[in-house]
Amino acid sequence: AQSVTQLDSQVPVFEEAPVELRCNYSSSVSVYLFWYVQYPNQGLQLLLKYLSGSTLVKGINGFEAEFNKSQTSFHLRKPSVHISDTAEYFCAVSGSGAGSYQLTFGKGTKLSVIP
Amino acid sequence: NAGVMQNPRHLVRRRGQEARLRCSPMKGHSHVYWYRQLPEEGLKFMVYLQKENIIDESGMPKERFSAEFPKEGPSILRIQQVVRGDSAAYFCASSPRTVKKETQYFGPGTRLLVL
Repeated sequence: AQSVTQLDSQVPVFEEAPVELRCNYSSSVSVYLFWYVQYPNQGLQLLLKYLSGSTLVKGINGFEAEFNKSQTSFHLRKPSVHISDTAEYFCAVSGSGAGSYQLTFGKGTKLSVIP
Repeated sequence: NAGVMQNPRHLVRRRGQEARLRCSPMKGHSHVYWYRQLPEEGLKFMVYLQKENIIDESGMPKERFSAEFPKEGPSILRIQQVVRGDSAAYFCASSPRTVKKETQYFGPGTRLLVL
């Protein structure tokens, strides 16, 4: 079984400041990791994913995340946020074996960018 | 290339009625997943289907809920005799034929309100 913990339910940050959204996971198998963004009343859009290889993953809209296996973390970062980044962010995990398709999501972190 | 389409976007039902949620996957995608998002919660996996086959329905409530993905037409999530606790956002995702390293692409969701 897998689980995902997003430590902060809400993160306010001033425009152009850096931000880090934290995500920890637990799993007994190798995993794939994902960050999705959800704008109000919309579906989820994939920001980035870690499948294998380099532990630093770059995504869309200037976001990046670093996979840390020893700390079982996959924190999302952006060096300078914009008003348009205001949204809810979900970290998700799936197993990496054949037939592993279920995504297990965290409860989400609401990012509010303050002008 | 159109994304995953879901309709209706909003659905209001009274207790005891039936709700039918439709999902058209992205072109070329033959794998469909349904997730439910309760208020203030992350998404929870419900069911995974391929054309004419239910592969995994381990996340689906045993009663009142059913899903299908016919040879022709959209995938349907059906909820019979709805109760207030069924009020949630229901998201459909699709992925291409490749088995490993799949990315699930999400639709905009159907927001069900049970009065």
